[in-house]
Amino acid sequence: GAVVSQHPSWVICKSGTSVKIECRSLDFQATTMFWYRQFPKQSLMLMATSNEGSKATYEQGVEKDKFLINHASLTLSTLTVTSAHPEDSSFYICSARPWESVNQPQHFGDGTRLSIL
Amino acid sequence: GESVGLHLPTLSVQEGDNSIINCAYSNSASDYFIWYKQESGKGPQFIIDIRSNMDKRQGQRVTVLLNKTVKHLSLQIAATQPGDSAVYFCAENLFSGGYNKLIFGAGTRLAVHP
Repeated sequence: GAVVSQHPSWVICKSGTSVKIECRSLDFQATTMFWYRQFPKQSLMLMATSNEGSKATYEQGVEKDKFLINHASLTLSTLTVTSAHPEDSSFYICSARPWESVNQPQHFGDGTRLSIL
Repeated sequence: GESVGLHLPTLSVQEGDNSIINCAYSNSASDYFIWYKQESGKGPQFIIDIRSNMDKRQGQRVTVLLNKTVKHLSLQIAATQPGDSAVYFCAENLFSGGYNKLIFGAGTRLAVHP
């Protein structure tokens, strides 16, 4: 149980284009999902908390207009990297927790490798 | 606070030995801790968790120890196997801005040699 699916697993695109990444909870509902970014040989950095039916909460230093988050249903959150540039190339990972509770671990998707040329 | 590492420390062990991976966390208010395993090109995989009212928890071949006095976590892996080779992250749960969120440690690469 508690499976999180992320799509696509990798994407290569030209500088200036926008890229959408999907995160789905397959066997549970999640009012809250999380988006992380991970650079090579580094840890996961929380970018934003995605809330079903309301605005996302962004971490300090993360541009809201650059990284658009939509959480339209209890099983789907999307991250759109707008006007992507080479410095946005990274490994983007989402996670979800079955209940908004401190007693449940977050379950992670397998990430999206984004390469901007 | 958030942790960013410029490089990952590596722990090299022989197959069959026990491994101990250490982690220092930063927030005294953190009340829940998790160890994750991340293999190359994949997302983190849950290993074991522990709440702040405990100091030890055991799973299958893994044990987590929590020392709140010095804000230290450790993950012990018994009889380490080649399949245990991966990067291991500790994460602390912090309630901030109205939400519970995870703050990840820098990570440790575990290399298991036959």
